[in-house]
Amino acid sequence: KNQVEQSPQSLIILEGKNCTLQCNYTVSPFSNLRWYKQDTGRGPVSLTIMTFSENTKSNGRYTATLDADTKQSSLHITASQLSDSASYICVVSAQNRKLIWGLGTSLAVNP
Amino acid sequence: ETGVTQTPRHLVMGMTNKKSLKCEQHLGHNAMYWYKQSAKKPLELMFVYNFKEQTENNSVPSRFSPECPNSSHLFLHLHTLQPEDSALYLCASSQEGPGRFFGPGTRLTVL
Repeated sequence: KNQVEQSPQSLIILEGKNCTLQCNYTVSPFSNLRWYKQDTGRGPVSLTIMTFSENTKSNGRYTATLDADTKQSSLHITASQLSDSASYICVVSAQNRKLIWGLGTSLAVNP
Repeated sequence: ETGVTQTPRHLVMGMTNKKSLKCEQHLGHNAMYWYKQSAKKPLELMFVYNFKEQTENNSVPSRFSPECPNSSHLFLHLHTLQPEDSALYLCASSQEGPGRFFGPGTRLTVL
């Protein structure tokens, strides 16, 4: 069964600290993996997209990694800011174009 | 802003009411989507339209009725809803590929 699991469910960190969010998937055949950021009361916004051959991709303070062998991805946030408080959703695209969405990790950055 | 707008942003309705959600995309995309986002559940794809034609209906109850008059506009007509239909309804658009550009959503409460 195609699934995407994210951990932790929620996370609280202090402003300025780093954190790493995890995404494990069982989607096959795999096409690509995308991380979205969803602010409260808003729709998700794409942060990064990674295909099978890509190991890492950065977008400012956000760095995503992908290990296609172990079917794991992580999103690392460096020097967190209050505006990073949001839900981070991992989405895996199968080769039949179907999107499998994770539940998301809720991140709170406190001053 | 992502170029996808939704109105209204909040809606409270009784189970016997009829209401409509509106979505407009200014990105020139040819596909539009309705998603439902409930607490503790991944995003659920409801309907897909490509070039105004419905190409996907994921077993959505008939009390939800989509309409796509052109490639830029998408409606979701609601009637005789149930309290469990309370959720955030997200509209999205895309061109080629799995990326989705989401609107801010309509927060629906059914009393």
